Amino acid sequence: QVTLKESGPALVKPTQILTLTCTFSGFSLSTHGMRVSWIRQPPGKALEWLARIDWDGDKFYSTSLKTRLSISKDTSKNQVVLTMTNMNPVDTATYFCARIRPQSVFFDNWGPGMLVSVSS
Amino acid sequence: NFLLTQPHSVSESPGKTVTISCTRSSGSIASSYVQWYQQRPGRSPTNVIYEDNQRPSGVPDRFSGSVDSSSNSASLTISGLKTEDEADYYCQSYESSNLWVFGGGTKLTVL
Repeated sequence: QVTLKESGPALVKPTQILTLTCTFSGFSLSTHGMRVSWIRQPPGKALEWLARIDWDGDKFYSTSLKTRLSISKDTSKNQVVLTMTNMNPVDTATYFCARIRPQSVFFDNWGPGMLVSVSS
Repeated sequence: NFLLTQPHSVSESPGKTVTISCTRSSGSIASSYVQWYQQRPGRSPTNVIYEDNQRPSGVPDRFSGSVDSSSNSASLTISGLKTEDEADYYCQSYESSNLWVFGGGTKLTVL
């Protein structure tokens, strides 16, 4: 059974760095074809894809946010970490991590999401 | 990057059929697969259609997907509407396999 869960601070101040961790089970990110993404959703708004990391270490970022994002993995801990710099109130959102079905292009398993608020 | 445009909301009665569109702003809709996700309030999204028209196991065959190159759009059709289908629906595609895009979402009301 595949599960994912996001963790990190619920509140950050403007200009601070946000670090979120996705801890997963039921698969290994060292297995060929495995990929994990981060997606966010501001309250009442649409989903926004942020970043992806692949089993081979390849990393991809949203064009509009790539200067502020960094994604990494710790295979031994079954974790994917997302950092976002220079946080702003408009970054207030629920942040999800999700697995991409191997050999396909859709998110087949999602974490429950974590609401991060940006406020002084 | 391209945009995926969806109607803000649609509504239909139980038992009827509804279609939600997803129009790609640039580039061919057929150049990359389209997925659809259902999101109920307070819940994580779940996939209902992948690779244009494939249903994950457990998704009823009342859900179907299609792509129309002439309008450069994809569609999600739900037949035999049930009140439990009331949710937000998002289309999703990608560019060059590495830049992923979601549509703005459509709120489906079943009344």
